[in-house]
Order: sequence, then C-alpha cells, then structure tokens
Amino acid sequence: SAVISQKPSRDICQRGTSLTIQCQVDSQVTMMFWYRQQPGQSLTLIATANQGSEATYESGFVIDKFPISRPNLTFSTLTVSNMSPEDSSIYLCSVGADNEQFFGPGTRLTVL
Amino acid sequence: GENVEQHPSTLSVQEGDSAVIKCTYSDSASNYFPWYKQELGKRPQLIIDIRSNVGEKKDQRIAVTLNKTAKHFSLHITETQPEDSAVYFCAAERGSTLGRLYFGRGTQLTVWP
Repeated sequence: SAVISQKPSRDICQRGTSLTIQCQVDSQVTMMFWYRQQPGQSLTLIATANQGSEATYESGFVIDKFPISRPNLTFSTLTVSNMSPEDSSIYLCSVGADNEQFFGPGTRLTVL
Repeated sequence: GENVEQHPSTLSVQEGDSAVIKCTYSDSASNYFPWYKQELGKRPQLIIDIRSNVGEKKDQRIAVTLNKTAKHFSLHITETQPEDSAVYFCAAERGSTLGRLYFGRGTQLTVWP
C-alpha cells in the first residue's frame, strides 16, 4: 500500500490569488496523479506528473492554470493559479502501488 | 476519450437486500475497472477491481462482473448493511496507464436498517 499526505487539508482563498498544494508519499513512485472533485461531483483527472519531465494535462486543464512540480519520486505540488470561485473543489493526489490506486486525503479549497 | 456512464445515481435498499450498480464505458482499450467507496468527507477507497481477462471477481459480500463485448461492468453488494451507505464510483482506465482513470458520476447508496 501507499501512505499519502497532503498539505494543506483545507484553505479559504480570495479570488485572483494562487494556492500550492503539496503531496507526499511514503514510497517512491513513478507517476503521481492530480484529481479534482467539485462539490457533490465525481473525480476528474487534471494531470499526470512524472519525475524529471513536464506534467501531462488532460483535456480542459492547462499548465498556466495548474502548474505542477515533481522534484523527486515521493513528492509533487499542484498550484491553482489566479483562482475564481469555480475552482472551489477538493484536490486529491493519487499514486499506484501493488496494482492499486490510492488517494490522498484531499485538500478542500474554497475561493471567495 | 473515455466516457463512463453510471446508473442509478441514487439507490435505497433495506438492510439485508442486494444492491446493484451498473456502468458502461466507451474505450475498448480500457482494461482495468476499479470501484471506489467514498464516505462523506473521506477519500475514495478501493473496494474491488477487475481486469479485462476476468469476467467476474468476488470478495465476501462484494462482486464485480465485466462484459467486455458489451462494455459494461457491474457492482453487486449482497446482504447490505447500514455501514455500506456511501457514494460508490466506478472507473475505467484511460489508455493503458494505471492511475489515469475516468470516473462515473457516482451512486449514493442508502441502506435502511
């Protein structure tokens, strides 16, 4: 299994500002994934982060809005830039281990 | 891209009854189909998964069936208990990369005692 932690667990931000979310895993993993879960909705994949290369973004998500860093095999950050109320969501990182996909506890973001 | 449809969106059953949730997918290249349970305020937790080389998989009260020809898979929960109440999500793998998942919209299951 994989133990995943995220910081912060929640935040309230003003529109126009940016927030960086951290994801730490207790083991080395090749790929880390960032998902978004809007209130009462399903999970949507934002991007895949590989160490040593640029993140791969899914349709509808762009690097300027959601820059991602992956400095090593146990850590990644997702930044939500120039936030608007529509960015209010839970952001979850996810990693694979033992042929299973595990999710972090999520970061609950509220944008006013 | 992959499209995952999930039905029903809500499901209420009496304790002890069975619950069935169904999903269809569009990408014939998908080979991995997990089911997640998400309790209120918690992260999604994997409850069972199935790969395309298997038609059915069972784990105690939970089973999943897969029909690759028809591109649909189902979750079956028998002898439901109030603690089974949660939102259940099906998912299908995007391409061949584990972790790149398309999720269904979710089913709110309520089990009444």
